[in-house]
Amino acid sequence: AQSVAQPEDQVNVAEGNPLTVKCTYSVSGNPYLFWYVQYPNRGLQFLLKYITGDNLVKGSYGFEAEFNKSQTSFHLKKPSALVSDSALYFCAVRDSNYGQNFVFGPGTRLSVLP
Amino acid sequence: NAGVTQTPKFRILKIGQSMTLQCTQDMNHNYMYWYRQDPGMGLKLIYYSVGAGITDKGEVPNGYNVSRSTTEDFPLRLELAAPSQTSVYFCATSPGQANTGELFFGEGSRLTVL
Repeated sequence: AQSVAQPEDQVNVAEGNPLTVKCTYSVSGNPYLFWYVQYPNRGLQFLLKYITGDNLVKGSYGFEAEFNKSQTSFHLKKPSALVSDSALYFCAVRDSNYGQNFVFGPGTRLSVLP
Repeated sequence: NAGVTQTPKFRILKIGQSMTLQCTQDMNHNYMYWYRQDPGMGLKLIYYSVGAGITDKGEVPNGYNVSRSTTEDFPLRLELAAPSQTSVYFCATSPGQANTGELFFGEGSRLTVL
Protein backbone atom coordinates (compact mmCIF):
# COMPACT_ATOMS: atom_id res chain seq x y z
CA ALA A 1 0.00 0.00 0.00
CA GLN A 2 1.05 3.57 -0.58
CA SER A 3 2.05 5.85 2.26
CA VAL A 4 3.57 9.29 2.71
CA ALA A 5 5.43 10.66 5.70
CA GLN A 6 6.22 14.27 6.48
CA PRO A 7 8.44 13.98 9.54
CA GLU A 8 8.14 17.62 10.63
CA ASP A 9 4.87 19.12 11.83
CA GLN A 10 6.36 22.61 11.75
CA VAL A 11 9.31 24.24 10.01
CA ASN A 12 10.50 27.72 10.96
CA VAL A 13 12.88 29.66 8.78
CA ALA A 14 14.03 33.27 8.59
CA GLU A 15 13.10 35.30 5.55
CA GLY A 16 15.84 35.13 2.93
CA ASN A 17 17.18 31.81 4.17
CA PRO A 18 16.80 28.56 2.22
CA LEU A 19 13.96 26.27 3.22
CA THR A 20 13.41 22.52 3.04
CA VAL A 21 10.20 20.62 3.75
CA LYS A 22 10.77 16.89 3.92
CA CYS A 23 8.74 14.05 2.43
CA THR A 24 9.33 10.32 2.21
CA TYR A 25 7.06 7.79 0.54
CA SER A 26 6.39 4.10 0.10
CA VAL A 27 4.85 2.53 -3.02
CA SER A 28 4.95 -0.83 -4.73
CA GLY A 29 5.11 0.46 -8.29
CA ASN A 30 6.54 3.65 -9.72
CA PRO A 31 5.83 6.78 -7.67
CA TYR A 32 4.14 9.85 -9.04
CA LEU A 33 4.92 12.59 -6.50
CA PHE A 34 3.23 15.91 -5.89
CA TRP A 35 3.51 18.94 -3.64
CA TYR A 36 0.53 21.12 -2.76
CA VAL A 37 0.25 24.30 -0.69
CA GLN A 38 -2.73 25.40 1.38
CA TYR A 39 -3.26 28.94 2.58
CA PRO A 40 -5.70 29.63 5.44
CA ASN A 41 -9.33 28.86 4.60
CA ARG A 42 -8.47 27.92 1.02
CA GLY A 43 -8.29 24.77 -1.04
CA LEU A 44 -5.01 23.08 -1.91
CA GLN A 45 -3.00 24.49 -4.80
CA PHE A 46 -0.66 22.43 -6.95
CA LEU A 47 3.03 23.41 -6.74
CA LEU A 48 4.97 20.78 -8.68
CA LYS A 49 5.17 17.11 -9.57
CA TYR A 50 7.63 14.39 -10.45
CA ILE A 51 6.49 11.78 -12.94
CA THR A 52 9.66 10.71 -14.74
CA GLY A 53 12.90 12.16 -16.07
CA ASP A 54 15.10 14.74 -14.38
CA ASN A 55 15.21 14.21 -10.61
CA LEU A 56 15.09 17.95 -9.94
CA VAL A 57 11.73 19.46 -10.78
CA LYS A 58 10.84 23.13 -10.69
CA GLY A 59 7.43 24.50 -9.88
CA SER A 60 5.43 27.56 -9.00
CA TYR A 61 6.63 30.49 -6.86
CA GLY A 62 10.31 29.49 -7.08
CA PHE A 63 9.87 26.11 -5.40
CA GLU A 64 11.70 23.01 -6.51
CA ALA A 65 11.89 19.42 -5.33
CA GLU A 66 14.39 16.62 -5.70
CA PHE A 67 13.35 13.04 -6.28
CA ASN A 68 15.69 10.54 -4.64
CA LYS A 69 14.75 6.98 -5.48
CA SER A 70 17.27 5.28 -3.20
CA GLN A 71 16.09 7.28 -0.19
CA THR A 72 12.44 7.27 -1.31
CA SER A 73 12.31 10.99 -0.70
CA PHE A 74 10.89 14.03 -2.44
CA HIS A 75 11.92 17.08 -0.41
CA LEU A 76 10.57 20.52 -1.27
CA LYS A 77 13.09 23.35 -1.40
CA LYS A 78 13.37 27.04 -2.06
CA PRO A 79 16.65 29.00 -2.13
CA SER A 80 15.30 32.13 -0.43
CA ALA A 81 12.14 32.05 1.70
CA LEU A 82 9.52 34.80 1.70
CA VAL A 83 7.10 35.65 4.51
CA SER A 84 4.32 35.00 2.00
CA ASP A 85 5.49 31.36 1.72
CA SER A 86 4.06 30.72 5.21
CA ALA A 87 1.39 28.06 4.72
CA LEU A 88 0.60 24.37 5.10
CA TYR A 89 2.42 22.09 2.66
CA PHE A 90 1.28 18.62 1.64
CA CYS A 91 3.22 15.92 -0.12
CA ALA A 92 1.17 13.35 -2.05
CA VAL A 93 1.92 10.17 -3.98
CA ARG A 94 0.18 8.13 -6.60
CA ASP A 95 1.31 4.55 -7.15
CA SER A 96 1.50 3.46 -10.78
CA ASN A 97 0.05 0.11 -9.67
CA TYR A 98 -3.00 1.55 -7.94
CA GLY A 99 -4.97 3.69 -10.33
CA GLN A 100 -6.38 7.02 -9.36
CA ASN A 101 -5.97 7.34 -5.61
CA PHE A 102 -3.68 10.03 -4.24
CA VAL A 103 -2.32 9.46 -0.74
CA PHE A 104 -1.49 12.61 1.18
CA GLY A 105 0.96 13.19 3.99
CA PRO A 106 -0.24 14.86 7.21
CA GLY A 107 1.13 18.25 6.19
CA THR A 108 3.95 20.51 7.38
CA ARG A 109 3.30 24.02 8.55
CA LEU A 110 5.94 26.42 7.28
CA SER A 111 6.46 29.70 9.10
CA VAL A 112 8.80 32.24 7.54
CA LEU A 113 9.81 34.85 10.08
CA PRO A 114 10.58 38.43 8.99
CA ASN B 1 -12.75 30.58 -14.98
CA ALA B 2 -14.78 29.08 -12.14
CA GLY B 3 -12.84 25.79 -11.93
CA VAL B 4 -14.20 23.70 -9.05
CA THR B 5 -17.09 25.24 -7.10
CA GLN B 6 -18.31 23.91 -3.76
CA THR B 7 -21.42 24.91 -1.85
CA PRO B 8 -22.13 25.64 0.92
CA LYS B 9 -18.91 27.04 2.36
CA PHE B 10 -20.10 26.63 5.94
CA ARG B 11 -22.85 24.57 7.54
CA ILE B 12 -23.88 23.55 11.03
CA LEU B 13 -25.94 20.39 11.37
CA LYS B 14 -27.62 18.69 14.28
CA ILE B 15 -26.95 15.01 14.93
CA GLY B 16 -29.14 12.88 12.70
CA GLN B 17 -29.83 15.54 10.09
CA SER B 18 -29.04 15.01 6.42
CA MET B 19 -27.49 17.27 3.86
CA THR B 20 -25.77 17.37 0.48
CA LEU B 21 -22.51 19.08 -0.32
CA GLN B 22 -22.51 20.26 -3.89
CA CYS B 23 -19.53 20.19 -6.25
CA THR B 24 -19.52 21.35 -9.83
CA GLN B 25 -16.66 21.79 -12.30
CA ASP B 26 -16.34 23.48 -15.67
CA MET B 27 -13.01 21.97 -16.72
CA ASN B 28 -14.48 18.89 -18.41
CA HIS B 29 -12.37 16.62 -16.21
CA ASN B 30 -13.37 12.99 -16.05
CA TYR B 31 -12.13 12.27 -12.55
CA MET B 32 -13.69 13.78 -9.44
CA TYR B 33 -12.94 13.18 -5.78
CA TRP B 34 -14.23 13.99 -2.31
CA TYR B 35 -11.72 14.33 0.50
CA ARG B 36 -12.10 15.26 4.13
CA GLN B 37 -9.41 17.13 6.00
CA ASP B 38 -8.96 16.78 9.74
CA PRO B 39 -6.21 18.61 11.68
CA GLY B 40 -2.85 16.80 11.54
CA MET B 41 -4.30 13.97 9.45
CA GLY B 42 -3.82 15.17 5.90
CA LEU B 43 -6.60 14.44 3.43
CA LYS B 44 -8.56 11.20 3.40
CA LEU B 45 -10.39 10.04 0.29
CA ILE B 46 -14.12 9.46 0.79
CA TYR B 47 -15.36 8.63 -2.71
CA TYR B 48 -14.22 9.15 -6.25
CA SER B 49 -15.59 8.92 -9.76
CA VAL B 50 -13.84 8.17 -13.05
CA GLY B 51 -16.73 9.41 -15.16
CA ALA B 52 -20.48 9.94 -15.31
CA GLY B 53 -22.32 6.95 -13.87
CA ILE B 54 -19.26 5.45 -12.20
CA THR B 55 -18.34 5.90 -8.54
CA ASP B 56 -16.16 4.01 -6.10
CA LYS B 57 -15.34 4.03 -2.42
CA GLY B 58 -12.20 5.57 -1.05
CA GLU B 59 -10.53 5.11 2.30
CA VAL B 60 -13.32 6.50 4.55
CA PRO B 61 -16.72 6.06 2.82
CA ASN B 62 -18.89 5.12 5.81
CA GLY B 63 -21.72 7.58 6.44
CA TYR B 64 -21.53 9.12 2.97
CA ASN B 65 -23.01 8.55 -0.46
CA VAL B 66 -22.29 10.03 -3.88
CA SER B 67 -23.73 10.10 -7.36
CA ARG B 68 -22.35 11.20 -10.72
CA SER B 69 -25.10 11.74 -13.26
CA THR B 70 -23.16 14.31 -15.30
CA THR B 71 -19.50 15.11 -15.97
CA GLU B 72 -19.88 18.45 -14.18
CA ASP B 73 -21.52 17.50 -10.88
CA PHE B 74 -20.46 15.22 -8.03
CA PRO B 75 -22.60 15.77 -4.91
CA LEU B 76 -21.72 14.22 -1.54
CA ARG B 77 -24.63 13.13 0.66
CA LEU B 78 -24.53 12.78 4.44
CA GLU B 79 -27.59 10.80 5.52
CA LEU B 80 -27.44 10.77 9.33
CA ALA B 81 -24.94 13.34 10.51
CA ALA B 82 -22.67 12.39 13.38
CA PRO B 83 -20.12 14.48 15.33
CA SER B 84 -17.34 12.39 13.75
CA GLN B 85 -18.28 13.96 10.41
CA THR B 86 -17.27 17.41 11.60
CA SER B 87 -14.54 18.27 9.13
CA VAL B 88 -13.56 20.34 6.13
CA TYR B 89 -14.60 18.70 2.88
CA PHE B 90 -12.81 19.24 -0.40
CA CYS B 91 -13.93 18.35 -3.87
CA ALA B 92 -11.20 17.89 -6.47
CA THR B 93 -10.90 17.01 -10.14
CA SER B 94 -8.24 15.57 -12.39
CA PRO B 95 -8.00 15.20 -16.18
CA GLY B 96 -7.40 11.53 -15.47
CA GLN B 97 -6.40 10.15 -18.83
CA ALA B 98 -3.31 8.86 -17.07
CA ASN B 99 -2.61 8.82 -13.37
CA THR B 100 0.03 11.51 -13.73
CA GLY B 101 -2.26 14.51 -13.62
CA GLU B 102 -2.47 16.76 -10.62
CA LEU B 103 -5.62 17.53 -8.65
CA PHE B 104 -7.57 20.78 -8.87
CA PHE B 105 -9.35 21.64 -5.62
CA GLY B 106 -12.41 23.60 -4.64
CA GLU B 107 -12.30 26.08 -1.76
CA GLY B 108 -13.76 23.63 0.74
CA SER B 109 -16.93 23.22 2.80
CA ARG B 110 -16.62 23.43 6.58
CA LEU B 111 -19.18 21.22 8.30
CA THR B 112 -19.89 21.15 12.03
CA VAL B 113 -22.17 18.52 13.54
CA LEU B 114 -23.50 19.33 17.02
